[in-house]
Amino acid sequence: NAGVTQTPKFRILKIGQSMTLQCTQDMNHNYMYWYRQDPGMGLKLIYYSVGAGITDKGEVPNGYNVSRSTTEDFPLRLELAAPSQTSVYFCASSRTSGTNNEQFFGPGTRLTVL
Amino acid sequence: AQSVSQHNHHVILSEAASLELGCNYSYGGTVNLFWYVQYPGQHLQLLLKYFSGDPLVKGIKGFEAEFIKSKFSFNLRKPSVQWSDTAEYFCAVRKAAGNKLTFGGGTRVLVKP
Repeated sequence: NAGVTQTPKFRILKIGQSMTLQCTQDMNHNYMYWYRQDPGMGLKLIYYSVGAGITDKGEVPNGYNVSRSTTEDFPLRLELAAPSQTSVYFCASSRTSGTNNEQFFGPGTRLTVL
Repeated sequence: AQSVSQHNHHVILSEAASLELGCNYSYGGTVNLFWYVQYPGQHLQLLLKYFSGDPLVKGIKGFEAEFIKSKFSFNLRKPSVQWSDTAEYFCAVRKAAGNKLTFGGGTRVLVKP
């Protein structure tokens, strides 16, 4: 299993540009998550999904959109990039919610908005 | 809303020293607790987790953590660190049977050879 994969690894955007961060997992996990990591702030949840066709907002959803058309894929869309979105983005997945499960993380995408 | 505090932002140690990283959370109900590690340039990996039972949890690479419910704490320990333990460590909390993790701000640990 490749686990959770993310593309691209690095990206530089200009203010106002748009892009999609890709996330794929091959573990047949129902739950998927997007986090952003800022220095000294830990990880903040942007959006999550409990299954194909179902998404919900996390702690910091403004400026982002997601979709979940398949179990495997959970892309994150930035429509109008802003400098405040400069961050490292991590995708994660888990088998289900509840006890005795853990989230598996992808390698991250480092995004800079200039 | 629940919150997680990691009081030490940076820790510098010499090899063979003991390590203890503090983690406190604010939620009063039943929780699941996690410690993740992020080595330089890598993604987060699970070190250990607590769901129920023995409050002293042993994880990978010689790490352990103790859940003290009365103190809302889940401190991470390692008796003797190695240079390869240089990393950032994150504590995370989830309401039991929930699906959203709340992370602490992280502690950067530098182990000098």
